[in-house]
Order: sequence, then structure tokens, then C-alpha cells
Amino acid sequence: DAGVIQSPRHEVTEMGQEVTLRCKPISGHNSLFWYRQTMMRGLELLIYFNNNVPIDDSGMPEDRFSAKMPNASFSTLKIQPSEPRDSAVYFCASSPGLAFDEQYFGPGTRLTVT
Amino acid sequence: TQLLEQSPQFLSIQEGENLTVYCNSSSVFSSLQWYRQEPGEGPVLLVTVVTGGEVKKLKRLTFQFGDARKDSSLHITAAQPGDTGLYLCAGEEPRGQNFVFGPGTRLSVLP
Repeated sequence: DAGVIQSPRHEVTEMGQEVTLRCKPISGHNSLFWYRQTMMRGLELLIYFNNNVPIDDSGMPEDRFSAKMPNASFSTLKIQPSEPRDSAVYFCASSPGLAFDEQYFGPGTRLTVT
Repeated sequence: TQLLEQSPQFLSIQEGENLTVYCNSSSVFSSLQWYRQEPGEGPVLLVTVVTGGEVKKLKRLTFQFGDARKDSSLHITAAQPGDTGLYLCAGEEPRGQNFVFGPGTRLSVLP
């Protein structure tokens, strides 16, 4: 079975541009999580969904960040406008239940904003 | 201030040695998880501990959850180069209000 799929794997963009990161969770999983990983701050939870509904977005750093989950098999994380300090690896994870147990992570998207 | 602290930050050992890494907090967690992350990949869940004092074994890896559910340890017996990676602990606060990762222990096992 395919794991969590993220695209693109690498994204390089200029400051001020809009960036959209995509995630396809594991089929049948009920929860989806977006994380950001940097050397300085480690792995941080940005937002998570249960049954496509956003539950907690308190980790989203600013209004420039938004996330959607229009259906059970797709989610996006959008940054508009992007800034150099947004450079990081962004991970999507999914889990079968409605809690933080048993999360399966995707390979990540490495974002570089110049 | 990190909600979860991990020590040591870095560890380099020879193949065959034993090691223990620690995850500590001043907060109580309803559960703690351990992940291993390799370069260019996402973290992979190793184990979840839920009950205070719980011990779980996964082949050469032994995980323990502190009695007060504020700390955890990971012990590796006879380390192998394949154990090399970033070991992360993560915890869910009671009532599920927050899920946080520690900064990780970067382990290097030399052949």
C-alpha cells in the first residue's frame, strides 16, 4: 500500500510568491496533520484535521498560512505571501484514529524561499 | 523553552555498544511516542507508551515510561550501524490539547 504522499518534494520560490504544498493521506485514515521542521525549532505541529474538519490550528504561525482538506484523500497547505523564514521541511502525517496515536509521516516537502 | 527535553543531543558510539537516551519534561503526558528519522525522510513511529512505569521491547530496543508519566527512556542493546538516525520523543498532553516533539537525539553508530 502507498504511504502518505506529498508533493512537490522540493520547492524553491522567491519571497512574496504563493506556495501550495499537497498531501494525500493513507486511504481510510481519519486524521491528517501538518508539521514544520527546522534546525532551530525542531518539529512543530501546525494544524490537524479529523474527518476533514480542522480541529486545532493554533500552531499555524501567521495568517499567511492556511490549510484545507476538501475531501478525505487530499489536503493543501498554502503560504501567501512566502518569506525566507518560512524555509523548512513541511511534513504531512495521517493516522487511522481521531487522536495523535500511530501517525504515519510522508517524505516531506523541502521549501526554500529566497 | 522546550516542553520536552532530550539528552544527549548527539551520541556517537561503536557498533556493539549499549546506549540509553532520555526524554524529560516537567509536564504530565497522557502518552509518549518514540520516532526514528533518517535523513531526507519523515519520522517513523517506533512505540507508544501510555501507562506510568510501562516497559515495551522492540527487538534490541527497550522503552520505559516514567511512573509519573513525565519522562521516558530508550535503551538500545548492541547497537548496529542501521540504528543510526535522529530519535525523537513526542507527547500528547492530557485531554489532547497539545502534541509536541522533543528536539531529538542524533545517534551515529560506527562500524
